[in-house]
Amino acid sequence: EAQVTQNPRYLITVTGKKLTVTCSQNMNHEYMSWYRQDPGLGLRQIYYSMNVEVTDKGDVPEGYKVSRKEKRNFPLILESPSPNQTSLYFCASSLKIAGVYEQYFGPGTRLTVT
Amino acid sequence: TQLLEQSPQFLSIQEGENLTVYCNSSSVFSSLQWYRQEPGEGPVLLVTVVTGGEVKKLKRLTFQFGDARKDSSLHITAAQPGDTGLYLCAATGGAGNNRKLIWGLGTSLAVNP
Repeated sequence: EAQVTQNPRYLITVTGKKLTVTCSQNMNHEYMSWYRQDPGLGLRQIYYSMNVEVTDKGDVPEGYKVSRKEKRNFPLILESPSPNQTSLYFCASSLKIAGVYEQYFGPGTRLTVT
Repeated sequence: TQLLEQSPQFLSIQEGENLTVYCNSSSVFSSLQWYRQEPGEGPVLLVTVVTGGEVKKLKRLTFQFGDARKDSSLHITAAQPGDTGLYLCAATGGAGNNRKLIWGLGTSLAVNP
């Protein structure tokens, strides 16, 4: 089954404790991205990757890191989480069809930083 | 700043009613997508429209891209409880960037049995 998986689905942590949210896709998509979704602010892109070893900042990259060592995996790293990073996070991979990127989202990771 | 404005923000209707939700902008886009997000899940792509005036149908859902490619509408006929969810529009091609998606805040739809 074609899918994007994220782990963990739920995470409660404390300020300053490094964490990683994993993302994996089995569709051989080159383009992957991370979003956060907050009430009243909608979906905002954190980082994206056009291909292996190619990553770039999205709209809200501060406090986050990513890596793309393999095509299928795109982990999101919070080196020192803070309460303002409490949010719902989505990983997405994209297929380019007729010049348009169609996004396939993972199920989400709900992160709470206390 | 390019914005996509969705209206209404919230909509609660009875099963069997028809409804239309809107996605508007002052910018011209090369394509527009509609996604539905159910509680606890990620958004799922419903449709992509690329041509001004284009109409696409997906069962009881009808999507239209405005002639000037600045707006779009989603019409649901005979809504069912399974249609409940957050409907998001997203557009590409503004300011010559075909890769970046601009997202609306969504219309939260509740269909009551």
